[in-house]
Amino acid sequence: QSVLTQPPSVSGAPGQRVTISCTGSSSNIGAGYDVQWYQQVPGAAPKLLMYGNDNRPSGVPDRVSGSKSGTSASLAITGLQTEDEADYYCQSYDVSLSTVVFGGGTKLTVL
Amino acid sequence: EVQLVESGGDLVQPGGSLRLSCAASGFTFSNYNMNWVRQAPGKGLEWVSYIGTGGYTIYYADSVKGRFTISRDNAKNSLYLQMTSLRNEDTAVYYCARDYRSSWRYYFDYWGQGALVTVSS
Repeated sequence: QSVLTQPPSVSGAPGQRVTISCTGSSSNIGAGYDVQWYQQVPGAAPKLLMYGNDNRPSGVPDRVSGSKSGTSASLAITGLQTEDEADYYCQSYDVSLSTVVFGGGTKLTVL
Repeated sequence: EVQLVESGGDLVQPGGSLRLSCAASGFTFSNYNMNWVRQAPGKGLEWVSYIGTGGYTIYYADSVKGRFTISRDNAKNSLYLQMTSLRNEDTAVYYCARDYRSSWRYYFDYWGQGALVTVSS
């Protein structure tokens, strides 16, 4: 059981918009710790996609955005492309556990 | 260009030992904290261990505490994970990952390609 909760899967057609939720608690996201998102395409290592809730590393397109509110965070991808098909993981820090924590991952399928 | 290259993954019997290495390049290794993160087959990501720049501040996940030892050699730009008393559930791809942390922000900005450790008889 992951400390952060994500939907197992989401899907959308090319060009559409999808969102992936990440729900935590008062000891992690709700405590004020930032949320990060990683993208992992099949067979590859995870790649940082979003940091500090809503900041994109260099090279990540602006059709990818992040937000955080209360004990939850969201990743939104607009103008879906086939190359977006991957697993997405949210991540934060948990003050009770004193460790970095991850969500269980969400598989994005582009129909 | 930042590069992290793991090596040492192998098939090992339960109770056995293995040492993973991670060779870093493209940045000043000694200035960065480092981590090991693992991913069991078909599963999600699990943080394993952290080491500070000087090698003195070290943390472990409860699942590996007492069995795994993280270390680094800044002169060789290398990170290590010594794994002992291996269990079937330690089977995973092990990634080394560069650390970023501030008061409210903890994350991994670069990852290696991973090393597969299989524990099986």
